[in-house]
Amino acid sequence: NAGVTQTPKFRILKIGQSMTLQCTQDMNHNYMYWYRQDPGMGLKLIYYSVGAGITDKGEVPNGYNVSRSTTEDFPLRLELAAPSQTSVYFCASSPLRGETETQYFGPGTRLLVL
Amino acid sequence: SQKIEQNSEALNIQEGKTATLTCNYTNYSPAYLQWYRQDPGRGPVFLLLIRENEKEKRKERLKVTFDTTLKQSLFHITASQPADSATYLCALVMDMGRRALTFGSGTRLQVQP
Repeated sequence: NAGVTQTPKFRILKIGQSMTLQCTQDMNHNYMYWYRQDPGMGLKLIYYSVGAGITDKGEVPNGYNVSRSTTEDFPLRLELAAPSQTSVYFCASSPLRGETETQYFGPGTRLLVL
Repeated sequence: SQKIEQNSEALNIQEGKTATLTCNYTNYSPAYLQWYRQDPGRGPVFLLLIRENEKEKRKERLKVTFDTTLKQSLFHITASQPADSATYLCALVMDMGRRALTFGSGTRLQVQP
């Protein structure tokens, strides 16, 4: 089991560019999440999904979009990058049954917008 | 609004001592509280969960307490080791439907050999 994988590890974007952060989990988890973490701060929820085809906004969704066409993948799209989106992005997943409260995190994508 | 507060100052202790980290929250009554460990450049890793009807939970050298009256959780690492050096995050679930976590900003622990 690879768990939760994220690509790329690091990316530099120019203002106004777009990109997709990839997230894949191989644990057959229903719930998936995107968080961002700014330096010295806690993680903040951007979007989440309770299953394929179902997504909803979190605390800080502006400037981002998501889709969930399969159980495994939950990509995060930045359409018009802004310096305020410089952050580290973490994808996480949790199961529907069993240890439902535990979230499993990916290694993160560090994004720098200049 | 809901706030989760962790001591932002780093905690420095000697190897072998007990480290105690604090998490305080306001304006909410969570069903459970979690602690995660985060190493530099890595994602958080789940350590322990404690429910509102539990006063204390243990796992090996780790112990968590949960005082819903004080709205506080304490996280203890006994017989600390340099390998325990990391940032420790407290997290609550505000919305049981979405199960998304709200995190504190974390406390960095440095264990000196």
